[in-house]
Amino acid sequence: DSGVTQTPKHLITATGQRVTLRCSPRSGDLSVYWYQQSLDQGLQFLIQYYNGEERAKGNILERFSAQQFPDLHSELNLSSLELGDSALYFCASSVGQGGSYNEQFFGPGTRLTVL
Amino acid sequence: GEDVEQSLFLSVREGDSSVINCTYTDSSSTYLYWYKQEPGAGLQLLTYIFSNMDMKQDQRLTVLLNKKDKHLSLRIADTQTGDSAIYFCAESSLGSGYALNFGKGTSLLVTP
Repeated sequence: DSGVTQTPKHLITATGQRVTLRCSPRSGDLSVYWYQQSLDQGLQFLIQYYNGEERAKGNILERFSAQQFPDLHSELNLSSLELGDSALYFCASSVGQGGSYNEQFFGPGTRLTVL
Repeated sequence: GEDVEQSLFLSVREGDSSVINCTYTDSSSTYLYWYKQEPGAGLQLLTYIFSNMDMKQDQRLTVLLNKKDKHLSLRIADTQTGDSAIYFCAESSLGSGYALNFGKGTSLLVTP
């Protein structure tokens, strides 16, 4: 158990809908990262937050957004869902924001299926 | 973005050594990692190496880094059936805020 929790574990929804994925980082970790794992694209970095502020952005679509709240939990919002958004979404947390070795601990993931 | 490439599949017999290879293109990569993913599970960090190191050993795991060729390898000694999993190579650098840039993963099958 990494100490990172993600809810829900599974999510099934229809095209065009909007969903919210939730992540609670390990106690004491200030950074949260979101990754998407799909069969065709592999594991891709989406976005990072550090202590409530956006820190780095990867291949995140404009239909997706995220935020980190004062209690440090984070939410990833996916809207106007398409079939291709079906994937496993991982959250990871780390103590710092980078600059030196900064291990990321991964949650178990949320499996999103868009029908 | 920068590429991280791995072979997709490796099969070894129990007790043999496994070597999983990875190449990357980002010359500013600072840290290089090996993660393990078992079926239905999240990602587990196995080991990492700083870019100014050539080798790192951790029990059955040996990581070799050739920075000139941008080649990273993971050797698992005395491979066991429990080592069957997908192994991901990843790199991070200042330019990406130290977010992880992953390869597509190598599926390791260990047969008795």
